[in-house]
Amino acid sequence: QVQLVQSGAEVKKPGSSVKVSCKASGGTFSSYAASWVRQAPGQGLEWMGGIIPIFGTANYAQKFQGRVTITADESTSTAYMELSSLRSEDTAVYYCARTRYDILTNYLNDAFDIWGQGTVVTVSS
Amino acid sequence: QSVLTQPPSASGTPGQRVTISCSGSTSNIGSNYVYWYQKLPGTAPKLLFYRNYQRPSGVPDRFSGSKSGTSASLAISGLRSEDEAEYYCETWDDSLSGPVFGGGTKLAVL
Repeated sequence: QVQLVQSGAEVKKPGSSVKVSCKASGGTFSSYAASWVRQAPGQGLEWMGGIIPIFGTANYAQKFQGRVTITADESTSTAYMELSSLRSEDTAVYYCARTRYDILTNYLNDAFDIWGQGTVVTVSS
Repeated sequence: QSVLTQPPSASGTPGQRVTISCSGSTSNIGSNYVYWYQKLPGTAPKLLFYRNYQRPSGVPDRFSGSKSGTSASLAISGLRSEDEAEYYCETWDDSLSGPVFGGGTKLAVL
């Protein structure tokens, strides 16, 4: 059974960037996509964007366009999420999650069936 | 403000049946499958339902999902203390071209 293992907690200064990794252990992303979802303290879940590793194509939520970059390394079955121009409101737990995608549209419109353990990112001066 | 609307809280006593609603529009719930997730404090979300009412293996049949028009519901019967968690609905939004979540419902078992 595939597990998604994320990198450890980060503490960053406002204005800096953070890069979080998500490795598929016990398998690969294969015919799946990897998405990033975050939860700020006291808030709900929020989709940031996703990537289909075999194509290398990423899509982003409008809110994060221009500030987030999602990449993947198929050779290591690892997905990455880099968020720049960090502000205090970006303090959150960041999760990667696996999903199937529509082969005709590349839409990531299926369930998030496997999740990483989460990475706490704290933005503080 | 979430695209999908859920009540912020719900509660019940052990053994009771509780229902959590999720309201959307024609561009999301009305034209796509709904998914439900259970999130316990300090843990990652867990998939409870896919394709409106399909349960992944391991999810007890005390849990049921349904969808009608632009709304969906999650029902839990025979409520147990371990059901105390946050529950989120999620679906694809055709206008936004991306997945959207409800604001989450915190379920208390009194």
